[in-house]
Amino acid sequence: GAVVSQHPSWVICKSGTSVKIECRSLDFQATTMFWYRQFPKQSLMLMATSNEGSKATYEQGVEKDKFLINHASLTLSTLTVTSAHPEDSSFYICSANEWGETQYFGPGTRLLVL
Amino acid sequence: QQQVKQSPQSLIVQKGGISIINCAYENTAFDYFPWYQQFPGKGPALLIAIRPDVSEKKEGRFTISFNKSAKQFSLHIMDSQPGDSATYFCAASPRGAQKLVFGQGTRLTINP
Repeated sequence: GAVVSQHPSWVICKSGTSVKIECRSLDFQATTMFWYRQFPKQSLMLMATSNEGSKATYEQGVEKDKFLINHASLTLSTLTVTSAHPEDSSFYICSANEWGETQYFGPGTRLLVL
Repeated sequence: QQQVKQSPQSLIVQKGGISIINCAYENTAFDYFPWYQQFPGKGPALLIAIRPDVSEKKEGRFTISFNKSAKQFSLHIMDSQPGDSATYFCAASPRGAQKLVFGQGTRLTINP
């Protein structure tokens, strides 16, 4: 149980284009989903917290207009990187929890912006 | 005060040995402490978690030791195996909140 999927697992795009990453909880309803960014050999950096049907809460320093988050249902959240630039290249990971504090992580999406 | 400090940054252990990773925190509002294991190119996977009302929790070869007065907790991996080679993250969550604060990570290598 408690499986979280992400799609795509990797994506390459041209600078200036937008990229959408999906995060799904497969066998449970997620009250909250989280989006993280991870640079090589570094820890996870929380970007935003989203609850179904409400606006995401962004961490300090994360551009809301750059990283659009939509949590349309209890099993799906999307992260759209708008007008991507090479510095947005990173490993993006989502997590979800059903209740309480336990977060279950997706497998991650590697984004490379050329 | 929101930080969780993790050490060591990297660790090499011989097969069959005990791997020990330590974390320390300042915020006394933290009351949930999970450990995650991450393999290269993969998302973190929950290993084991503990709350401050217990001093130790064991699941298979993995044990969390918790020292509330010292505000420290550690992960012990008994009989370490090459398959345990991964990056380990400790984390903490404040009471009533869902956000996790992560440690810096420890890259563990188990030599055969």
